[in-house]
Amino acid sequence: KNEVEQSPQNLTAQEGEFITINCSYSVGISALHWLQQHPGGGIVSLFMLSSGKKKHGRLIATINIQEKHSSLHITASHPRDSAVYICAVGPLNTGNQFYFGTGTSLRVIP
Amino acid sequence: ETGVTQSPTHLIKTRGQQVTLRCSSQSGHNTVSWYQQALGQGPQFIFQYYREEENGRGNFPPRFSGLQFPNYSSELNVNALELDDSALYLCASSLSLAAYNEQFFGPGTRLTVL
Repeated sequence: KNEVEQSPQNLTAQEGEFITINCSYSVGISALHWLQQHPGGGIVSLFMLSSGKKKHGRLIATINIQEKHSSLHITASHPRDSAVYICAVGPLNTGNQFYFGTGTSLRVIP
Repeated sequence: ETGVTQSPTHLIKTRGQQVTLRCSSQSGHNTVSWYQQALGQGPQFIFQYYREEENGRGNFPPRFSGLQFPNYSSELNVNALELDDSALYLCASSLSLAAYNEQFFGPGTRLTVL
């Protein structure tokens, strides 16, 4: 049983499309992070959420604490957005010892 | 570029051997976490060090051990390597234990056990 579930597992989009990646979790959390992992392994932190919504450029992340659900949206997708997107949650009282989803592999075609 | 470095980049070992992986955190980051990422999976939490003491541990056997040093570097040691230990090993440093702190990941060490 995985505490963090992501959907879809794989996603192929045309350049310019609006993309949504979903994350559901089963534990109480103090924070949720969205991460981006490029081929070769390097992971970059995109957002930290504890409530509401955040926007950075073409990326938007939302979280609904009551429903234990978060979404990552990419507007006007571009081939350079191709990567694996990972949701990570910090359960209550464990600080930053995270549970990770298995990731969503995104490929944006020109 | 996160300012976190790991060495070596790649490593091949045989079953039963021991390995030491190294991580250099960002200056001032007193928390480092180590993760194991199998192919096609999300990272799994191995353990965390805070101010040179182990602060938490995931579901990994005692043959996985670590150290954190005052100069913001840390080590992951794995004894009696098994084939299933083949994975990408990531370290991540942060300013403190709080979940809202950004985690800065290193590029990883890819370990292959034959």
